[in-house]
Amino acid sequence: ETGVTQSPTHLIKTRGQQVTLRCSSQSGHNTVSWYQQALGQGPQFIFQYYREEENGRGNFPPRFSGLQFPNYSSELNVNALELDDSALYLCASSLVQGAGKETQYFGPGTRLLVL
Amino acid sequence: AQTVTQSQPEMSVQEAETVTLSCTYDTSESDYYLFWYKQPPSRQMILVIRQEAYKQQNATENRFSVNFQKAAKSFSLKISDSQLGDAAMYFCAYLWSGNTPLVFGKGTRLSVIA
Repeated sequence: ETGVTQSPTHLIKTRGQQVTLRCSSQSGHNTVSWYQQALGQGPQFIFQYYREEENGRGNFPPRFSGLQFPNYSSELNVNALELDDSALYLCASSLVQGAGKETQYFGPGTRLLVL
Repeated sequence: AQTVTQSQPEMSVQEAETVTLSCTYDTSESDYYLFWYKQPPSRQMILVIRQEAYKQQNATENRFSVNFQKAAKSFSLKISDSQLGDAAMYFCAYLWSGNTPLVFGKGTRLSVIA
């Protein structure tokens, strides 16, 4: 167990709806990264939050947005859902200090199905 | 941009035997980390092993070891004494700094045959 939790585990939505996914980071970690993993593919970076600020973003449209809270937990919001948004969404937490390269520890993921 | 390539979509190994999974990467940086993650059907991405590029010694973790060839930009994973529980998708990943994303390969599906 990594200490990173995600909710919900599974979710079914219809096209055009909005969804919020949640991630609780490992104790002591200050950074959360979100990844989208399509079936049979490696994870693709969505964005990263460091001390409540967005700290890098992958090639995802603005309808993918996020938040990080003072306790370093995080939310991923997706508006106007599309069929291609169906995927496993992974969050990973790490402790970033200065120029260090810290290991990211993953949660169990949320499986989103868009119909 | 950094890229990670895993050229073996699927591999299989007999229980108790040894298997090597391949990974190559492309970067212009000299200081970075490399990882192998395991993703069983339960979906949780589990860290298997980590290698720091400035260290010449290959990392080992129990039955798992790597062959890190920095000049060749190669980072293979060797699993010794394979067990049924080793069956999973294995992802090679690159990290340049703590506030940059992990870059993953497409994965290798490992089957372990009893």
